[in-house]
Amino acid sequence: KAGVTQTPRYLIKTRGQQVTLSCSPISGHRSVSWYQQTPGQGLQFLFEYFSETQRNKGNFPGRFSGRQFSNSRSEMNVSTLELGDSALYLCASSFTSGGANYGYTFGSGTRLTVV
Amino acid sequence: AQTVTQSQPEMSVQEAETVTLSCTYDTSESDYYLFWYKQPPSRQMILVIRQEAYKQQNATENRFSVNFQKAAKSFSLKISDSQLGDAAMYFCASHGGATNKLIFGTGTLLAVQP
Repeated sequence: KAGVTQTPRYLIKTRGQQVTLSCSPISGHRSVSWYQQTPGQGLQFLFEYFSETQRNKGNFPGRFSGRQFSNSRSEMNVSTLELGDSALYLCASSFTSGGANYGYTFGSGTRLTVV
Repeated sequence: AQTVTQSQPEMSVQEAETVTLSCTYDTSESDYYLFWYKQPPSRQMILVIRQEAYKQQNATENRFSVNFQKAAKSFSLKISDSQLGDAAMYFCASHGGATNKLIFGTGTLLAVQP
């Protein structure tokens, strides 16, 4: 079955602009979470969506937002971009059943460069 | 708060040899999962192995196995018969049942020498 698809793979934006990243989870996975990866801060949790509801949010400013659609696809938006937002943004989908988590499958990421 | 610590920034192993990557964690959750992920230069995060905290038995996936010491909050990864394709960054991560998020360690960069 198809994996987690993230688009675009690469983005270059200017400070002050906004950006939208997209993530299509594995079919049947209702949970989608987003992570930011930078050399300095490592992998940090941004937020998690389940059935169109944000269940958990990391410690990021309000410029970072997201949403999930009825088909479980998710988008992440960053407004008023700053140089420090340059990072690899990873999306992961997961399947849970009976309270058990069967692991997260990650997409290939979107490399965002802010200039 | 959950934390995951990987104390080895870099490791090196000879091809066909065995290497162990260390990980310690802290969590207040009673129900949690532990994972090892591999990230090669392609950036794709690949699930290597998963451990359910309530299971005493150590998880094994082919050449990969873990040593899960719950009381010591230790979760090390052993790679047997190392192959060149095992060279990558390895991340240890925890997931608490109530938090729905992965907490990652800082990673261990594994080099495999031919």
